[in-house]
Amino acid sequence: DAGVTQSPTHLIKTRGQQVTLRCSPKSGHDTVSWYQQALGQGPQFIFQYYEEEERQRGNFPDRFSGHQFPNYSSELNVNALLLGDSALYLCASSYKTGYQETQYFGPGTRLLVL
Amino acid sequence: DAKTTQPPSMDCAEGRAANLPCNHSTISGNEYVYWYRQIHSQGPQYIIHGLKNNETNEMASLIITEDRKSSTLILPHATLRDTAVYYCIVTRYTGNQFYFGTGTSLTVIP
Repeated sequence: DAGVTQSPTHLIKTRGQQVTLRCSPKSGHDTVSWYQQALGQGPQFIFQYYEEEERQRGNFPDRFSGHQFPNYSSELNVNALLLGDSALYLCASSYKTGYQETQYFGPGTRLLVL
Repeated sequence: DAKTTQPPSMDCAEGRAANLPCNHSTISGNEYVYWYRQIHSQGPQYIIHGLKNNETNEMASLIITEDRKSSTLILPHATLRDTAVYYCIVTRYTGNQFYFGTGTSLTVIP
């Protein structure tokens, strides 16, 4: 049973560029959440997708957008990259049960903005 | 969601029990306590969660005080591979977005 997978593992971009990160959820999961983790900090919630819609959003600007596909996989897009966007981007999947929903994390994509 | 307070770092001798505390004094009745750990820039790994009863699984035990204002994660026999940052998270039971703090950096010493 494959866990959460993310691609690519590493990425280098320059300021002003755009980036797309991808996530495949754990088998049987229908909800995908994205987190940003700066060096030395805990992960910060960006947004969550369920039924192909953004259901919740953290305190991130509109430069951060996402998409969920019918097969539950998801993309995170970041436009107009800033140096401060350099971070580990984590995807977590869960199954929406209506009560406790344990999230399982992927290995992350490390983004470096130069 | 309730905030949590954890010590920034702890050491534990290999083979001994590691007891990691977490304070969540503003927790509300429908909020769960979750524990994750992160080993050097890998994705966080789920350990255990609970609502008000103590819980145990193959990785750890979770002890929640009766007033639910604090909890302790217990790794019964710590190994070098348990060296990681441990996060205590309190979250509502549904539609949850996890709020991570800076966690506790546990170092297991040979």
